[in-house]
Amino acid sequence: GAGVSQSPSNKVTEKGKDVELRCDPISGHTALYWYRQSLGQGLEFLIYFQGNSAPDKSGLPSDRFSAERTGGSVSTLTIQRTQQEDSAVYLCASYKSQTNTEAFFGQGTRLTVV
Amino acid sequence: QQQVKQSPQSLIVQKGGISIINCAYENTAFDYFPWYQQFPGKGPALLIAIRPDVSEKKEGRFTISFNKSAKQFSLHIMDSQPGDSATYFCAASNRGSTLGRLYFGRGTQLTVWP
Repeated sequence: GAGVSQSPSNKVTEKGKDVELRCDPISGHTALYWYRQSLGQGLEFLIYFQGNSAPDKSGLPSDRFSAERTGGSVSTLTIQRTQQEDSAVYLCASYKSQTNTEAFFGQGTRLTVV
Repeated sequence: QQQVKQSPQSLIVQKGGISIINCAYENTAFDYFPWYQQFPGKGPALLIAIRPDVSEKKEGRFTISFNKSAKQFSLHIMDSQPGDSATYFCAASNRGSTLGRLYFGRGTQLTVWP
């Protein structure tokens, strides 16, 4: 596709359930980031992938959060046993390479935990 | 700890006026300072960026002013238009470390009245 694609666009889930959020980066982009956007809090870094490996997971808020990337392309962010404080917009961004600094963002997944 | 501090939180400007958003940072290792524009329901999109070897960069109606000694940078939108109404985020990164991880300000919601 022409841009970064995220699915679903919106997700409402019950507290305690697991959710999976998907990111399809721009084809050929090697670097992929996940950020979380909460109201009035800006964008909070979660995890960074270079290819299929994650050199920096320092932003994951708890062990309920995990992410993987396969084939150097699609990435999945999984939140287990969701809590109400997990409600936010989850954004994925891809970069062309390690030296190219422009981040291309997807439209995000709005997660609501009820 | 917020690595990049942004102000104001919200800004209302008359059409044709100048919008000014300010950011400050502490980490002197930062060497890339982008501004992102976000419309409701969309992901952030790169607007303009600057590196610390220059004090000003202009692209159309958008100008970044950069003061390395004060560790501050600002976005000026000249001749503001209603279509500029959006949330603006400043950011900073150290391209040599964490390969492009962006540290974001909390955002400024700009409203331009016709």
